[in-house]
Amino acid sequence: GENVEQHPSTLSVQEGDSAVIKCTYSDSASNYFPWYKQELGKGPQLIIDIRSNVGEKKDQRIAVTLNKTAKHFSLHITETQPEDSAVYFCAASRDFGNEKLTFGTGTRLTIIP
Amino acid sequence: ETGVTQSPTHLIKTRGQQVTLRCSSQSGHNTVSWYQQALGQGPQFIFQYYREEENGRGNFPPRFSGLQFPNYSSELNVNALELDDSALYLCASSLELVGMSSDTQYFGPGTRLTVL
Repeated sequence: GENVEQHPSTLSVQEGDSAVIKCTYSDSASNYFPWYKQELGKGPQLIIDIRSNVGEKKDQRIAVTLNKTAKHFSLHITETQPEDSAVYFCAASRDFGNEKLTFGTGTRLTIIP
Repeated sequence: ETGVTQSPTHLIKTRGQQVTLRCSSQSGHNTVSWYQQALGQGPQFIFQYYREEENGRGNFPPRFSGLQFPNYSSELNVNALELDDSALYLCASSLELVGMSSDTQYFGPGTRLTVL
């Protein structure tokens, strides 16, 4: 089955700087890669996703890049703000049939004011 | 907020008991997936329900079972509770259309289950 590894497990960034979180996956058939943000006491909230037919997607301060050959994808947050502090999860799934998401182990991002 | 609701918010049970957790999907969504999230871990897929039938299952024993109702809401039942079942249980809803790429999964706030 799919295995998703995520690094780093914790990340502290000065407010205004950029943060990068990286994930690798094992199943070459995976072609959908969402990123979720989870705040304390809440469920995961989708922040951006990418499908394998594109290499990069951007939404304001958030961007995701995908390298299918190397089987890795990354989340980039620019101009970080204190409200970006949370746990971030990457995930992977196949696009058809059983659409289960396989999650990474999470990155606790702390923005230092 | 996603529009996915779960009840109850918190629950405390003892070993050997049974529990039922409930999920209402986002309006217009026809598929519900359940995940278990242990403390400090990523969510783990339990199973998915589509058109009132189980549509895929993760590595969980049969004492984890579920239902989906005609209005697409869903229940997760766990029998013979064990201490390791203590976790946050999340449901996610999505819209699945035959022959088309799957839609994004939107998560509810979860039910925190503690087994003593």
